[in-house]
Amino acid sequence: QVQLVESGGGVVQPGMSLRLSCAASGFAFRSFAMQWVRQAPGKGLEGVAVISYDGSNIWYGDSVQGRFSISRDNSRNTLYLQMNSLRPEDTATYYCAKEDWGPLDYWGQGNRVTVSS
Amino acid sequence: ETVLTQSPDFQSVTPKEKVTITCRASQSIGSSLHWYQQKPNQSPKLLIKFASQSISGVPSRFSGSGSGTDFTLTINSLEAEDAATYYCHQSQSLPYTFGQGTKLELK
Repeated sequence: QVQLVESGGGVVQPGMSLRLSCAASGFAFRSFAMQWVRQAPGKGLEGVAVISYDGSNIWYGDSVQGRFSISRDNSRNTLYLQMNSLRPEDTATYYCAKEDWGPLDYWGQGNRVTVSS
Repeated sequence: ETVLTQSPDFQSVTPKEKVTITCRASQSIGSSLHWYQQKPNQSPKLLIKFASQSISGVPSRFSGSGSGTDFTLTINSLEAEDAATYYCHQSQSLPYTFGQGTKLELK
C-alpha cells in the first residue's frame, strides 16, 4: 500500500533552517509529481511547492519563493523540502502529497514545524 | 491566480440530512476540481476527483458535480462520521489553490 512517511520537523528560531523528508513506498515514486502542502494552526491548506516526476519542473508559492527548495531523490524514493530563513508565519503542519496528474491522492501524516524565539 | 470560494464556511448538521457544499472558481477551470475531507488531527483525504469522479473506498453517499466555475459536493444521508472540514482544490493552473474550507459540525 502507498505510504508517505515524513520526518525532520521541530522547533526552530526565526532565521534558522530545517529540512523535511518524505519517504515514499508502495508506488512508482519516479513516475509521479509530488507536492508539499502546509496548514497553519487552525487554518486552511496552502500549496508550498511542486516538483515534477523527474525534478525538471519546480514551482513555489509566493510566500516561500527564494527561501524554500524542493527536491527529490528517485533512487531513494524520497522527497525533500529545504526551508531556510524561517519566519514565525512558516509555523504549520507540513504534508507531502502524491499528485496523480491533478488530484492529491495520498498524503503523509504531517510534520509540525514551529518557528519561535 | 485562481481563487476558490466555498460556501458555507460552517454548517451545523444532523445525521441523515442531505448536505451541499459549493465551490466557485474565479475563472474557468474546466473539470480540474477535487474535493478532500479532513478530520481533526488527520491528513486530508481525497473524496472526489475531476469534479465528479468517484474514488475507490469512498462511500457512495459522496458525489460531486459541476464544471467551469461552479462546483458542488453533495453528501446524501449524512452520517455522524462525516463531521469534518471539506476543501476544494484546483489543478487547472499554477498556483494550484484550495478553497478556505467548509466545516460540518454535528448538532
